[in-house]
Amino acid sequence: GQQVMQIPQYQHVQEGEDFTTYCNSSTTLSNIQWYKQRPGGHPVFLIQLVKSGEVKKQKRLTFQFGEAKKNSSLHITATQTTDVGTYFCAGSLDTGTASKLTFGTGTRLQVTL
Amino acid sequence: SQTIHQWPATLVQPVGSPLSLECTVEGTSNPNLYWYRQAAGRGLQLLFYSVGIGQISSEVPQNLSASRPQDRQFILSSKKLLLSDSGFYLCAWQTGDQSEQYFGPGTRLTVT
Repeated sequence: GQQVMQIPQYQHVQEGEDFTTYCNSSTTLSNIQWYKQRPGGHPVFLIQLVKSGEVKKQKRLTFQFGEAKKNSSLHITATQTTDVGTYFCAGSLDTGTASKLTFGTGTRLQVTL
Repeated sequence: SQTIHQWPATLVQPVGSPLSLECTVEGTSNPNLYWYRQAAGRGLQLLFYSVGIGQISSEVPQNLSASRPQDRQFILSSKKLLLSDSGFYLCAWQTGDQSEQYFGPGTRLTVT
């Protein structure tokens, strides 16, 4: 079955440092989504990428979808303590109405002052 | 605006006891609904999804079941809980014209 891996599993940075998490799928994806889960909370949708090679930005966050639509990355510039949480990518094979997502293993980000 | 509710927020149940977790969505019609389980410090495992009333698809064989008695109500059940059923259970909704999913606050289940 489809597998989605993320690296690293955990990263600890000092506030102001950059952070990147990488997501790799065993199969070509229709689209990829990113979610953030704060400690003790539920996943919150951040963004969706659909096109090959697509790059999207949200303030300090930059999301990229690979040319082969099998990998993606999330880069945070100048991390802040509010960035703490676990970041999940989620890949979809479906273009129909029932979009099943396969979630990645997640990268937990810890930011200290 | 759409909102999603789950209850209870936390639950401690003995092994062998039954389970019923409820999820309801407001502000949307005919959503696709999903049940996920998240083990501590792990990713999300899709358990069930539903595209309409009475329509349930199971992703992983287990001692859990799901039902959708109403358009915006999704229920996760078990007749006899196992220790391995402990985890964080998340319900999510999605509409047909988008693929992103929106999660409820979750239920933390501990089976003792």
